[in-house]
Amino acid sequence: EDKVVQSPLSLVVHEGDTVTLNCSYEVTNFRSLLWYKQEKKAPTFLFMLTSSGIEKKSGRLSSILDKKELSSILNITATQTGDSAIYLCAVGNAGNMLTFGGGTRLMVKP
Amino acid sequence: GAGVSQTPSNKVTEKGKYVELRCDPISGHTALYWYRQSLGQGPEFLIYFQGTGAADDSGLPNDRFFAVRPEGSVSTLKIQRTERGDSAVYLCASSLYGRAQAGSTGELFFGEGSRLTVL
Repeated sequence: EDKVVQSPLSLVVHEGDTVTLNCSYEVTNFRSLLWYKQEKKAPTFLFMLTSSGIEKKSGRLSSILDKKELSSILNITATQTGDSAIYLCAVGNAGNMLTFGGGTRLMVKP
Repeated sequence: GAGVSQTPSNKVTEKGKYVELRCDPISGHTALYWYRQSLGQGPEFLIYFQGTGAADDSGLPNDRFFAVRPEGSVSTLKIQRTERGDSAVYLCASSLYGRAQAGSTGELFFGEGSRLTVL
C-alpha cells in the first residue's frame, strides 16, 4: 500500500521566517510527487516533481525531490500571513493514482 | 465551466438518511475523481471515472457509497443510510487526461468540496 508521511504536523512562525516542510513516501512504481496548498477547501496545485535534484521555484516557494531518500521538501522564504494554509504532499504511481499525506498546517503570525 | 463546481457546499443530514453530492468538472476533462477529507487528514481516494465508467472504485469504503457519471461530465456521489462517521468534506477533482493516458501528469484540479455533517 502506498504511503505518504508529512512533517511537521503543524508549524507556527512569524512573518519573514523561512520554513521547510517535509514529505517522505513509500510507493510502488513512483511517477511523480505533487505539492498542493489548501487554504479553505479546494487544494490548489503548487509543484509537480518527477526528477531527483531539480529544484522547482515559484516566487518565495521552492521544492526539490530526492528519489534516493524517497522524500521531498517544500521551502517558503520570507513567509507572509497569506502563506497560512495546509500544505499537502501527494505521490503518483505508474497508474497516476495519487496518494496524499496528512498535510502540514502552517500558521504565519504577523 | 472555469473550474470544478460542487454542490451543495454544505449539507447537514440525520443518521440513516440518503444524500447526493454533485460535481461538475472542468469542461473537456475526461477524468473525474472523488476524494474524502476528514478533519486533520489528507484527502482519501474514493473513486475515479474515465469518461462514463468507473475505472477504479477501490476507495469506496462500503456498499452504502455509489457514484455515477452517466454522460461523462457531471458526477453524483450517493451515500445511503448515512452514518456519523461519514461526516467529512467530499472533494471532487478533474484532469484533462486519464490516469494511464499519454500526457497525464497526475495534476488534479479540485473543487471547493461539499461538507457533509451527519447528526
